[in-house]
Amino acid sequence: GAVVSQHPSWVICKSGTSVKIECRSLDFQATTMFWYRQFPKQSLMLMATSNEGSKATYEQGVEKDKFLINHASLTLSTLTVTSAHPEDSSFYICSARGGTGNTIYFGEGSWLTVV
Amino acid sequence: GDSVTQMEGPVTLSEEAFLTINCTYTATGYPSLFWYVQYPGEGLQLLLKATKADDKGSNKGFEATYRKETTSFHLEKGSVQVSDSAVYFCALIRTGNQFYFGTGTSLTVIP
Repeated sequence: GAVVSQHPSWVICKSGTSVKIECRSLDFQATTMFWYRQFPKQSLMLMATSNEGSKATYEQGVEKDKFLINHASLTLSTLTVTSAHPEDSSFYICSARGGTGNTIYFGEGSWLTVV
Repeated sequence: GDSVTQMEGPVTLSEEAFLTINCTYTATGYPSLFWYVQYPGEGLQLLLKATKADDKGSNKGFEATYRKETTSFHLEKGSVQVSDSAVYFCALIRTGNQFYFGTGTSLTVIP
């Protein structure tokens, strides 16, 4: 079946550096991809929606200059956390819409720790 | 605004025990309701869904009924197995593509 893959699964970075998380749809073309974030004991919260070839739409309260989203192809979206701070440490998960029935599929998630 | 509240975990059960994970929602109109499951090291997978009041979603022995009068979508399974150990997320979608998720409930089933 359709698979969405995220990489890396775990990443530790130093404060002030940038880190990139990739989200790939492995066997279908994803017209739309979504990025979510989950803080401990809280819900998965939608950060942004991206359509291939256009700028991402960010949810209220999400800094677009800090969380750069690129959806350059129908199979790849990237989330770059710029100038990371410890409070950015979180679980980030992507999803992609496409394939049979235009279904939404989720990736495995990426744990980011900023030290 | 729209939101989902689900029972906090973690939940630990013995094999063959009965499982209930409570989920209630707040939404205007008529949302679609979902249960997603995340097994260790894997992505969120759709477990079951219901799109209108009184619908029952079912899959792999799990069931949930869309109760509009109580705004609930509780997940149940009559006899859990070790392989059911995972994190379960209740979610709703009302319009467009935006899901609203609960916080997730971790289930561990011990032999």
